[in-house]
Amino acid sequence: QTVVTQEPSFSVSPGGTVTLTCGLSSGSVSTSYYPSWYRQTPGQAPRTLIYSTNSRSSGVPDRFFGSILGNKAALTITGAQADDESDYYCMLYMGSGIVVFGGGTKLTVL
Amino acid sequence: QLQLQESGPGLVKPSETLSLTCTVSGGSISSSTYYWGWIRQPPGKGLEWIGSIYYRGSTYYNPSLKSRVTISVDTSKNQFSLKLSSVTAADTDVYYCARLRSSDWYSDLWGRGTLVTVSS
Repeated sequence: QTVVTQEPSFSVSPGGTVTLTCGLSSGSVSTSYYPSWYRQTPGQAPRTLIYSTNSRSSGVPDRFFGSILGNKAALTITGAQADDESDYYCMLYMGSGIVVFGGGTKLTVL
Repeated sequence: QLQLQESGPGLVKPSETLSLTCTVSGGSISSSTYYWGWIRQPPGKGLEWIGSIYYRGSTYYNPSLKSRVTISVDTSKNQFSLKLSSVTAADTDVYYCARLRSSDWYSDLWGRGTLVTVSS
């Protein structure tokens, strides 16, 4: 079974830029996988950030940018703020109605 | 504004069946634009998609859970439900219901989640 891979953890300085990635254990991520990104803080439900590779969900600031970088989906956060410190999950559409989440990246802002 | 709310027992005994319901309020579950899904998350760990259902009843399940999962929909009550059989302690998770846009295959709306503990 294909595994969706994410960096377990990442850190960024306040005001800095960070790029989180979402890959496949076998193969390359393309727009056909409709990559989406979610942010979750402890005790809260996930919040949708990006869908269909690079479309921002309603109310998401343009500091959050989705793309395909090489063979992975990517989420770039610019001007990092303290409250960006969260867990970030990607989700890929595998076809036949099946979606798979990545393991998540814990982002630290320090 | 459309909202999703999970409900069901917070404690289930091992080997029994976990049953949860998601009530859709502020809008209709009978939309061709969306699927309705269940996602779970062990405390402190990552998200796992369980399965999704269309309002007409077609379902998609996570292959790793397929043998134990049944998702159903009741359009008259604007609800959809999850049944997970033969549960063990490993099924102790926060369970979320969510709405998925069928055109882009992403979750655009989430319930708050409900913790289900499997214990005798």
